[in-house]
Amino acid sequence: EADIYQTPRYLVIGTGKKITLECSQTMGHDKMYWYQQDPGMELHLIHYSYGVNSTEKGDLSSESTVSRIRTEHFPLTLESARPSHTSQYLCASSELGGEGQPHTDTQYFGPGTRLTVL
Amino acid sequence: KNQVEQSPQSLIILEGKNCTLQCNYTVSPFSNLRWYKQDTGRGPVSLTIMTFSENTKSNGRYTATLDADTKQSSLHITASQLSDSASYICVVSDRGSTLGRLYFGRGTQLTVWP
Repeated sequence: EADIYQTPRYLVIGTGKKITLECSQTMGHDKMYWYQQDPGMELHLIHYSYGVNSTEKGDLSSESTVSRIRTEHFPLTLESARPSHTSQYLCASSELGGEGQPHTDTQYFGPGTRLTVL
Repeated sequence: KNQVEQSPQSLIILEGKNCTLQCNYTVSPFSNLRWYKQDTGRGPVSLTIMTFSENTKSNGRYTATLDADTKQSSLHITASQLSDSASYICVVSDRGSTLGRLYFGRGTQLTVWP
């Protein structure tokens, strides 16, 4: 069982509210990721980080922002939630593997946060 | 365009039966292929990982195969159990970028009935 945690598990909130989804891992992994997943659809990468003070945007454009002040913590923030943000948000982490080490970049996922914006 | 296609989209089988899930990909360059199991409302959990040189990998009742020439993989589940009900996701990794990007399939939703 991976040691990666997300809170809250479920969140129902009104339009315009600011929200922060928490993600923490105790495995000491350098790489962390945020994915967005709609029912029956594939995961889409929205943010990732190589380590402290490193954040990058993923493949899917997102109005959310992230920060990486500590290795173990990678929160995601929406300044003004909208119904279009309703989705499941999954956090993951992996070791910072290099070339020739394909088995070191297995991503370990948290349980997810199901966000509903009314 | 790099893609991962899975079939069938959904599958219902009776407890104790075997089943095989398919994954076709066009990702290049290829690094490795993983099968993940995602229970409803949970994050995906890795079942198997195979690199270019591996053509089969087992994890208990789960056996994955890889044909890198035809860019196809399958996940075979033996003697299915009710707890096997989940979405099974095929994920292919490339090494075309520093990130080693992952390409996700949409998953096969498996339901095991008693």
